[in-house]
Amino acid sequence: EVQLVESGGGLVQPGRSLRLSCAASGFTFDDYAMHWVRQAPGKGLEWVSGISWNRGSIAYADSVKGRFTISRDNAKNSLYLQMNSLRAEDTALYYCAKDIGKWLGVFDYWGQGTLVTVSS
Amino acid sequence: DIQMTQSPSTLSASVGDRVTITCRASQSISSWLAWYQEKPGKAPKLLIYKASSLESGVPSRFSGSGSGTEFTLTISSLQPEDFATFYCQQYNSYPLTFGGGTKVEIK
Repeated sequence: EVQLVESGGGLVQPGRSLRLSCAASGFTFDDYAMHWVRQAPGKGLEWVSGISWNRGSIAYADSVKGRFTISRDNAKNSLYLQMNSLRAEDTALYYCAKDIGKWLGVFDYWGQGTLVTVSS
Repeated sequence: DIQMTQSPSTLSASVGDRVTITCRASQSISSWLAWYQEKPGKAPKLLIYKASSLESGVPSRFSGSGSGTEFTLTISSLQPEDFATFYCQQYNSYPLTFGGGTKVEIK
């Protein structure tokens, strides 16, 4: 059974940093791209960042480019999101999502999310 | 970036109704479109990819069509468990983008 478990969310002041983690199990992690998708309270879905199976391709939404860094450790079956210079508008539930391919951009499994609140 | 526009934003329907949701892309995305269903407190669920391919395990009452810039998601006979919010998403190019969502409510 595929499982994605996010952690690392919490309350953080504007301008500070936070690192999210996603532990994956139930599939061959290094065969698939992985992504972060977020949802602000009461709002729609927003793709944040993605990384291909072999880290050869990485992409970011314009809203986070230069502030967020995605990475993965295939030996640990883990995905990460380093979030720097956080802003109030980054407040959201952050989902880890598995791609259906090596770098396709379709999400067939999602975690339950970790909540990030940016506030002073 | 490719903008995705869904309509309507809210839809009121009854059990058994045929429901159609439209998604428009700001430029051609060929058939690189996915549909997701989201229920309150739950993670989104993939329904359809490549515009019309049904994800494994998804009921056949869900279908997708379209190509280029115009796409539709159809539920042939709405069931009680289908009341939810639906999102389209393009994966023709990065950054990936979602539509604003369509909430299907009970009439």
